[in-house]
Amino acid sequence: AQTVTQSQPEMSVQEAETVTLSCTYDTSESDYYLFWYKQPPSRQMILVIRQEAYKQQNATENRFSVNFQKAAKSFSLKISDSQLGDAAMYFCAYRSYEGGSEKLVFGKGTKLTVNP
Amino acid sequence: EPEVTQTPSHQVTQMGQEVILRCVPISNHLYFYWYRQILGQKVEFLVSFYNNEISEKSEIFDDQFSVERPDGSNFTLKIRSTKLEDSAMYFCASMRGENTGELFFGEGSRLTVL
Repeated sequence: AQTVTQSQPEMSVQEAETVTLSCTYDTSESDYYLFWYKQPPSRQMILVIRQEAYKQQNATENRFSVNFQKAAKSFSLKISDSQLGDAAMYFCAYRSYEGGSEKLVFGKGTKLTVNP
Repeated sequence: EPEVTQTPSHQVTQMGQEVILRCVPISNHLYFYWYRQILGQKVEFLVSFYNNEISEKSEIFDDQFSVERPDGSNFTLKIRSTKLEDSAMYFCASMRGENTGELFFGEGSRLTVL
């Protein structure tokens, strides 16, 4: 079974600075998706960024980028020019591409605080 | 922008009572999910639903749980006889099509079982 580990329960960053959130996962599959979801307080989880494992190029979405290391099974999220609105819980998630399983496997989350 | 909506936002119930959590997925989505998060723990998959039937369920989703989509818009999760350990945040999600990968989540329904 796949597992996702986020080793940083909490992180903080100064406004306008850069922060990196860590995520590692364990799988025997070769094709899969990886996601970072953001959950602001009392709001729904929204997708920040996704990566298909067969793509070597790291995904980027504006100020958000990932460092995908397939061999190391690592998928970190970098937030550049942090803004107060980035404060949230961030969840790393894995989804199988093969075998018909649709479920997301989540990490425990990292709470990000942005200091003004 | 279309959203997944969930009701109620918070429900308190007595142990042994039946609870129904409701979700309205995004209208053109075809895949529907329930996840739950016990306080301080991971978000866990419960069940996925496609073409009016369960496509996958986890070990958590035992006979006490059921889902249905009675009218083509609402997607409900029923817990037949609640237990203390069912206290959690329950998230509904929907996805447009297979392998698009992106799930859209609702804000969650907090269930407290006393």
